[in-house]
Amino acid sequence: RKEVEQDPGPFNVPEGATVAFNCTYSNSASQSFFWYRQDCRKEPKLLMSVYSSGNEDGRFTAQLNRASQYISLLIRDSKLSDSATYLCVVWEAGGYNKLIFGAGTRLAVHP
Amino acid sequence: NAGVTQTPKFQVLKTGQSMTLQCAQDMNHNSMYWYRQDPGMGLRLIYYSASEGTTDKGEVPNGYNVSRLNKREFSLRLESAAPSQTSVYFCASSEAIAGSDEQYFGPGTRLTVT
Repeated sequence: RKEVEQDPGPFNVPEGATVAFNCTYSNSASQSFFWYRQDCRKEPKLLMSVYSSGNEDGRFTAQLNRASQYISLLIRDSKLSDSATYLCVVWEAGGYNKLIFGAGTRLAVHP
Repeated sequence: NAGVTQTPKFQVLKTGQSMTLQCAQDMNHNSMYWYRQDPGMGLRLIYYSASEGTTDKGEVPNGYNVSRLNKREFSLRLESAAPSQTSVYFCASSEAIAGSDEQYFGPGTRLTVT
């Protein structure tokens, strides 16, 4: 089983749509959670951290469910510029401290 | 502020050749990392350096070596390239090795080994 699993997509949505991505992680001891965004042939960039109480940044809302080991990202009012791959990322301390990356979910927003 | 820079951007090697990928950051970060990204897989950690003078293996270190030359620079060396090392390589840095610290990535090196 992969440590961080995501639906690869692609999700094809029209501008203005609301879209949700889900992610599950296998290690219950994982401590920190993030969504990174990666544009085509570019480097990943931090989109937002995910907190237990849930958090919002403009049109983006992230949720964490520790009991189910599940993370979500909701994008409201999608823009063409939201087209990218969204990476679910989990931090595991101990051993070699590391970020574990999901393979990503591709989003394509069309006019 | 250039952030994290990597050279070269593209490279084609023949099996058995060697090369060094260069990475530098100007954010005064303590920790630096090398990842590889393959289609359908998440980024995987090759090596990391928690601070100047230290380096440690990550998830997929075989076939690679690293040098933390100083606080700014962290290089990745392929001693004898193999086709399985065809990948996109990203260098990253963060203030420290801590779960809350954002990692900043360089633009990547696209390596093909024939």
